[in-house]
Amino acid sequence: QSALTQPASVSGSPGQSITISCTGTSSDVGGYNYVSWYQQHPGKAPKLMIYDVSNRPSGVSNRFSGSKSGNTASLTISGLQAEDEADYYCSSYASSVSWMFGGGTKLTVL
Amino acid sequence: QVQLVESGGGVVQTGRSLRLSCAASGFTFSSYGMDWVRQVPGKGLQWVAGIWYDGSNKNYADSVRGRFTISRDNSKNTLYLQMNSLRAEDTAVYYCAGDPGWRFDPWGQGTLVTVSS
Repeated sequence: QSALTQPASVSGSPGQSITISCTGTSSDVGGYNYVSWYQQHPGKAPKLMIYDVSNRPSGVSNRFSGSKSGNTASLTISGLQAEDEADYYCSSYASSVSWMFGGGTKLTVL
Repeated sequence: QVQLVESGGGVVQTGRSLRLSCAASGFTFSSYGMDWVRQVPGKGLQWVAGIWYDGSNKNYADSVRGRFTISRDNSKNTLYLQMNSLRAEDTAVYYCAGDPGWRFDPWGQGTLVTVSS
């Protein structure tokens, strides 16, 4: 089964907002509200940023928000900061394979 | 503090076996589902296997089913991944991750497994 589809890269200037999309099917993203987002800095482990589509774990900045429409989930980062530059991965529960990840999106803060 | 520490990675020949361990601390390990997620260097994340909090249910990605076995010892707060019949395509950084419910949190720092001929 193919990975969830994310753009390979996005960029934005400090203070701007960006949105990363994550497209799946009705068997994964569209079928469950179990979409999560992870931030990964180079050489580091992933870090949970959003879970259950739009919930933020304690300690994660409210500049990070998530949403879903149909088979596409989105991560929005507002007020971009230099430290937001990282790779971002979406994940969704998928009944046939348990868990799927997106291919990852490299965020560049210009 | 909450911590997961993987160990057991290294270089292994094609067809051989390796067992990874993941020691948990700072949270109630026996209440968490646990998973293994791997990442080929420079590539994306791939879910490998998961186990319920009590070990009663296990699931595997198609690519490792029949070769890998996930297990846990709640008395030792430790998660394991027994990897048999290793292939070159199993080369990756292997992360253990807690699963408090439909998400992966926390994550360990990862251990690199290199399979070579």
